[in-house]
Amino acid sequence: DTGVSQDPRHKITKRGQNVTFRCDPISEHNRLYWYRQTLGQGPEFLTYFQNEAQLEKSRLLSDRFSAERPKGSFSTLEIQRTEQGDSAMYLCASSWTSPTARNEQFFGPGTRLTVL
Amino acid sequence: GIQVEQSPPDLILQEGANSTLRCNFSDSVNNLQWFHQNPWGQLINLFYIPSGTKQNGRLSATTVATERYSLLYISSSQTTDSGVYFCAVGESNYQLIWGAGTKLIIKP
Repeated sequence: DTGVSQDPRHKITKRGQNVTFRCDPISEHNRLYWYRQTLGQGPEFLTYFQNEAQLEKSRLLSDRFSAERPKGSFSTLEIQRTEQGDSAMYLCASSWTSPTARNEQFFGPGTRLTVL
Repeated sequence: GIQVEQSPPDLILQEGANSTLRCNFSDSVNNLQWFHQNPWGQLINLFYIPSGTKQNGRLSATTVATERYSLLYISSSQTTDSGVYFCAVGESNYQLIWGAGTKLIIKP
């Protein structure tokens, strides 16, 4: 079990550029979540997938944010036309969820985004 | 929505001391997890504990769901215990709602 992995670990970009982050969940997990964490705060939920279906996306911060999980395995989070306020840690988590299984979420190391 | 409050916000202790961190939540939950965020930002699962008591080495946790609080106990603190401890709860079956964390500093 290799855990949740994220790439890149750090990203520095200029305002107005597009960025894409990748998350690889724990292999047997069917759910994948994206969160954002700003300095001094707890993580904030953005969106989640069950297999390849995106079941909740109303918490994405604006229409500049989008996420995909095309084959139900890895996921990408894209931010278009980045702004300085997008600077944060972007966290991915995964879980195995079923009617009888607990929804314990496991987190990756995060991608730290800095927008100049 | 659910509100999560953690206390104290900051805690500074000498190595070897014991500590109790508290998490209050405003409504019924079906998921409660405690995490340790290390200085590099990695969130480490400590306990999944929507109710009851669990122990893992020097750490233990108790959740009293009917009274809407959870406690995390750390005994014989070590410098590697430093970091931020988060409580996160779930009312739906997907998103976690997080407290603001307790920042723990263990001095040698």
